[in-house]
Amino acid sequence: NAGVTQTPKFQVLKTGQSMTLQCAQDMNHEYMSWYRQDPGMGLRLIHYSVGAGITDQGEVPNGYNVSRSTTEDFPLRLLSAAPSQTSVYFCASKTSGVTDTQYFGPGTRLTVL
Amino acid sequence: QQQVKQSPQSLIVQKGGISIINCAYENTAFDYFPWYQQFPGKGPALLIAIRPDVSEKKEGRFTISFNKSAKQFSLHIMDSQPGDSATYFCAATGGDNAGNNRKLIWGLGTSLAVNP
Repeated sequence: NAGVTQTPKFQVLKTGQSMTLQCAQDMNHEYMSWYRQDPGMGLRLIHYSVGAGITDQGEVPNGYNVSRSTTEDFPLRLLSAAPSQTSVYFCASKTSGVTDTQYFGPGTRLTVL
Repeated sequence: QQQVKQSPQSLIVQKGGISIINCAYENTAFDYFPWYQQFPGKGPALLIAIRPDVSEKKEGRFTISFNKSAKQFSLHIMDSQPGDSATYFCAATGGDNAGNNRKLIWGLGTSLAVNP
């Protein structure tokens, strides 16, 4: 089991560029989510999905898009990168229902110049 | 509005000492309270969790104390070791976060440094 994988590990973008952060899990988890982590601000939920074809917004969704075409993959798209999106991004997954243990990926460190 | 308040923001402890991190919550419908541990450059990982039907849960050197009436829970790390140096997050879920929609509400984290 690879668990939750994320690519790339590091990325530098220029303002206005677009990119997709990849996330995949091999645990057959229905629930997947994206967080950003900034110093002093903890983990903030960007978007989440409770199953293939179903996505919803978290607390900081602006500037990000997601889709969920398969159970395994949950990519995060930045349409037009801004310096405020400089952060560390984590993907996480868990089984749906009362089991609440989230399994996190290793993170993507994104810098927007 | 932050529903889970965590303190302190940072903590320095000597090797062998006790590390204590506190969290307070507002929503009395929360029914699951985990602690996550994050090492530098890694994603958070579940350390220990408790449900409100017990007042304490212990796993090795790590203990959660839960006070339902005060709406507080804390993580105690006994005999703290340099390898425990990490960021610790408390979290809570339940209430309006029902069924498949159970989202974790996170504290802001505590950076723990254990000096050798």
